[in-house]
Amino acid sequence: EDQVTQSPEALRLQEGESSSLNCSYTVSGLRGLFWYRQDPGKGPEFLFTLYSAGEEKEKERLKATLTKKESFLHITAPKPEDSATYLCAVMTNQFYFGTGTSLTVIP
Amino acid sequence: GAVVSQHPSRVICKSGTSVKIECRSLDFQATTMFWYRQFPKKSLMLMATSNEGSKATYEQGVEKDKFLINHASLTLSTLTVTSAHPEDSSFYICSARGRAGNSYEQYFGPGTRLTVT
Repeated sequence: EDQVTQSPEALRLQEGESSSLNCSYTVSGLRGLFWYRQDPGKGPEFLFTLYSAGEEKEKERLKATLTKKESFLHITAPKPEDSATYLCAVMTNQFYFGTGTSLTVIP
Repeated sequence: GAVVSQHPSRVICKSGTSVKIECRSLDFQATTMFWYRQFPKKSLMLMATSNEGSKATYEQGVEKDKFLINHASLTLSTLTVTSAHPEDSSFYICSARGRAGNSYEQYFGPGTRLTVT
């Protein structure tokens, strides 16, 4: 059965304290892995798409990496405005969302 | 990036009435649109997938007669919650996939908060 699991469920960081969020997947026929950011009461905002193991993408303080089993979203020197829920999703012939990691960055 | 809008952003209706939510792709043609429902502190639950000009495909457990979806054009899909009840109160989000950028990427609307009293 195709499955997407994110960990941790919640993460509290001090401002400037770098960390990583994990998205593990067991799917057959991966077409792409996507990272989104969602603020409370809003729709998910697209961040990255990764297609193959070894691929990396960066945007400001965020860097996403992909292996054959998981993806990491690295956050370098986070700021309070990075606080949000980060969702990953995988695309096979369907789109599967993980349950998200709620990130809080404390000033 | 591709922009998807939803209208209204919030709606309050009385039990038994119907509510229509619009989802528009503003700067690209959406060959496929998706409707999700999200409960507090939960991930998105796919309700249905619609392709322009054809009937929507509903996920298991989603009542197609209650959640009517129309994807009449490449830029507009609507979700009508018929005979709404308090348990239909939720955050409804649409997304669109189309010819802008990579065809697998989905771009999400800002969501619609439905409250049924």
